[in-house]
Amino acid sequence: AQTVTQSQPEMSVQEAETVTLSCTYDTSESDYYLFWYKQPPSRQMILVIRQEAYKQQNATENRFSVNFQKAAKSFSLKISDSQLGDAAMYFCAYSGTYKYIFGTGTRLKVLA
Amino acid sequence: NAGVTQTPKFRILKIGQSMTLQCAQDMNHNYMYWYRQDPGMGLKLIYYSVGAGITDKGEVPNGYNVSRSTTEDFPLRLELAAPSQTSVYFCASSFPQDLKQYFGPGTRLTVT
Repeated sequence: AQTVTQSQPEMSVQEAETVTLSCTYDTSESDYYLFWYKQPPSRQMILVIRQEAYKQQNATENRFSVNFQKAAKSFSLKISDSQLGDAAMYFCAYSGTYKYIFGTGTRLKVLA
Repeated sequence: NAGVTQTPKFRILKIGQSMTLQCAQDMNHNYMYWYRQDPGMGLKLIYYSVGAGITDKGEVPNGYNVSRSTTEDFPLRLELAAPSQTSVYFCASSFPQDLKQYFGPGTRLTVT
């Protein structure tokens, strides 16, 4: 069975600094997707970034980028130039076909 | 496009009561999902559907039922509510090609 582990329950970052959130996963599948979702206090789940496992190039979306290490089964999220609006819960997720497995989340605090 | 809509936003149930959480999407997505999120935790899959008339169990299906008679709608039925079903429930949908999930705003359910 697939698992997703986020070992950092909480992280803090100064405004305008860079922070990296960690995620590891376990799977025997060769083709899959990995995602980072943001959940602000409003509770809405927002897709931040998506990585296809067959692509070696790391995905980027503006200030958000990932470090995808397929052999190590690691999928970290880097947030550059952190903003107050980035404060939220961040969930790492895995999908092999149509079922998703979510990690337990990392709460990110942004300090002014 | 309204995206994914859920009703109600909040509900309090007494133990043993039943209710249906409604979910609708207007993006013509094939796949639809129901999750629950317990406090401080990630999302756990209750049921999913890959198309009208096709549903299957996820990680935590006990105490719930679903149906999918149309592409747009995917209601979740709670029978004989129990305090352990107190949670926030999210509905989501996606295309099979990219698995980008779009989430509804959630329903906060309390069973007392």
